[in-house]
Amino acid sequence: GQNIDQPTEMTATEGAIVQINCTYQTSGFNGLFWYQQHAGEAPTFLSYNVLDGLEEKGRFSSFLSRSKGYSYLLLKELQMKDSASYLCAATDSNYQLIWGAGTKLIIKP
Amino acid sequence: GAVVSQHPSRVICKSGTSVKIECRSLDFQATTMFWYRQFPKKSLMLMATSNEGSKATYEQGVEKDKFLINHASLTLSTLTVTSAHPEDSSFYICSARGTGSDYEQFFGPGTRLTVL
Repeated sequence: GQNIDQPTEMTATEGAIVQINCTYQTSGFNGLFWYQQHAGEAPTFLSYNVLDGLEEKGRFSSFLSRSKGYSYLLLKELQMKDSASYLCAATDSNYQLIWGAGTKLIIKP
Repeated sequence: GAVVSQHPSRVICKSGTSVKIECRSLDFQATTMFWYRQFPKKSLMLMATSNEGSKATYEQGVEKDKFLINHASLTLSTLTVTSAHPEDSSFYICSARGTGSDYEQFFGPGTRLTVL
């Protein structure tokens, strides 16, 4: 079956770095997304990886290893506004998104 | 970036009534639109996929007669929750995928439905 695993909750300190991991198993693979979702709001796009390696975009970076079925989202210089849920979603052979349950990130001063 | 709007953002209705939610792609043509449901502290659950001009494809366990989806144009899809009951209370989110993209979905802001 298809499955996405990511931690339920993580806590980090303002100004620090945090890495949110995601492992996936899908029927075919056409890339992996990371979305940010604040409470009561819709998800917003953060990154898309389809090739192995690290994609850097400002304070956020995303990594993919297709052979390991593994991705991570790296957040640097954490700010209080980064407190949100981070959703990992893999695209299967039909380009359908398979969603993880999300990781709630709590930032403490 | 591409913008997707949803209306209404919040709706409260009595049990037994029907509620229509609109999803519009404002600056691009959406060949495919997706409807999701999200319960508190849970991930997105895909309800159905709709392609312009054809019937929606519903996910297993989603009642097509309960959740009517119409994708009448390349910029508009509607979800009608018929004879709503309190258990239908949820956050409903639509997303749209354009003609030039095989992967990225652009999300609407969501609709909070509360059925009394």
